[in-house]
Amino acid sequence: LAKTTQPISMDSYEGQEVNITCSHNNIATNDYITWYQQFPSQGPRFIIQGYKTKVTNEVASLFIPADRKSSTLSLPRVSLSDTAVYYCLVGDRTGGGNKLTFGTGTQLKVEL
Amino acid sequence: GAVVSQHPSRVICKSGTSVKIECRSLDFQATTMFWYRQFPKKSLMLMATSNEGSKATYEQGVEKDKFLINHASLTLSTLTVTSAHPEDSSFYICSARVGQNTEAFFGQGTRLTVV
Repeated sequence: LAKTTQPISMDSYEGQEVNITCSHNNIATNDYITWYQQFPSQGPRFIIQGYKTKVTNEVASLFIPADRKSSTLSLPRVSLSDTAVYYCLVGDRTGGGNKLTFGTGTQLKVEL
Repeated sequence: GAVVSQHPSRVICKSGTSVKIECRSLDFQATTMFWYRQFPKKSLMLMATSNEGSKATYEQGVEKDKFLINHASLTLSTLTVTSAHPEDSSFYICSARVGQNTEAFFGQGTRLTVV
């Protein structure tokens, strides 16, 4: 079972770039890394997914080193509306099936 | 992205009654659906994983007779909280995915309050 470790909280200001790093030392060969964003009283929302190197989409970039034991979510020029909890998940296969297990997440607070 | 609809979004029920929560994948067929519960300022806790047409797999400590999960079709899964008590009050969230290592899509959640 691949466990993830993230900082509990981070603070930033509008317009800055925010990098949230997640450790997953026991990641399996077939596992992907996925990041979700959650606002209060809402379900999580998919941000980005990757397997290795770098992935970029319209909202974020994901950096994964060669050993894949960690990953970094990069949010360019954050705004107040990016204040949320960010979860790093690693694909987990158990008993022939698969499940998504959430860690503690990182509470990002963006201020003016 | 794909849409997962959860209903109801809020429900208040009396202690001892049962409550059913529906989770639908609106524009894709979900081979696997997950049910989570979340307490205030805490992370999502996986309750069970269900695959269409088969029995759900419950996480350790989750009572399968209390939290009945049915995944009768590729677009619908239901969670029934039987004989609800105040300690069952929580935010319940469902998730659906097409296959392994594909992104999961989440419903908007259901706030259950048992009085």
